[in-house]
Amino acid sequence: SQKIEQNSEALNIQEGKTATLTCNYTNYSPAYLQWYRQDPGRGPVFLLLIRENEKEKRKERLKVTFDTTLKQSLFHITASQPADSATYLCALDMFGNRDDKIIFGKGTRLHILP
Amino acid sequence: DAGVTQSPTHLIKTRGQQVTLRCSPKSGHDTVSWYQQALGQGPQFIFQYYEEEERQRGNFPDRFSGHQFPNYSSELNVNALLLGDSALYLCASSLGRINQPQHFGDGTRLSIL
Repeated sequence: SQKIEQNSEALNIQEGKTATLTCNYTNYSPAYLQWYRQDPGRGPVFLLLIRENEKEKRKERLKVTFDTTLKQSLFHITASQPADSATYLCALDMFGNRDDKIIFGKGTRLHILP
Repeated sequence: DAGVTQSPTHLIKTRGQQVTLRCSPKSGHDTVSWYQQALGQGPQFIFQYYEEEERQRGNFPDRFSGHQFPNYSSELNVNALLLGDSALYLCASSLGRINQPQHFGDGTRLSIL
């Protein structure tokens, strides 16, 4: 069945730099891939959705890429701020496929250092 | 505009007991999904309800069951609780069943003693 791997468990980035988070998956590509932010003690918050025929999606300081050949999505936060510190979750939307559900990665804890 | 609300926020049970968790979806949403999130892990899909029926199910035993009401609110029931059921239970709502952003509540923290 489908597996997701998000790069390191934790990532430390200096304030003002670009943070890049990686999401790799096995097997077949989902039609949609989503990114969420989760703060301690809170539920995940939806950030961006990208379709398999879209190479890149942007929203303010956020950018997501989706490469179905590499089976990888990259999530970038430019001009990072301490308020961006959180856990970021990658989710494969497999509805309509064999798995027929949303599969989340473990997440990457991002720390933006002032 | 109220988002997804879940109750209770915390719950302590003992092994073998049964529990019911409740969820009210975001206004205008018709689909509710439930997830289990263990510490340090991503949410795991339990099942999804649409039009008052279970539409998709993840790899969870029959001890986990649910219900959706005509007003789209939903319940998650877990029978014969095990220590391993201790987790954060998240409810998410969406407009439509597939390929939609999930709007999550802040969850119910369930502890099994």
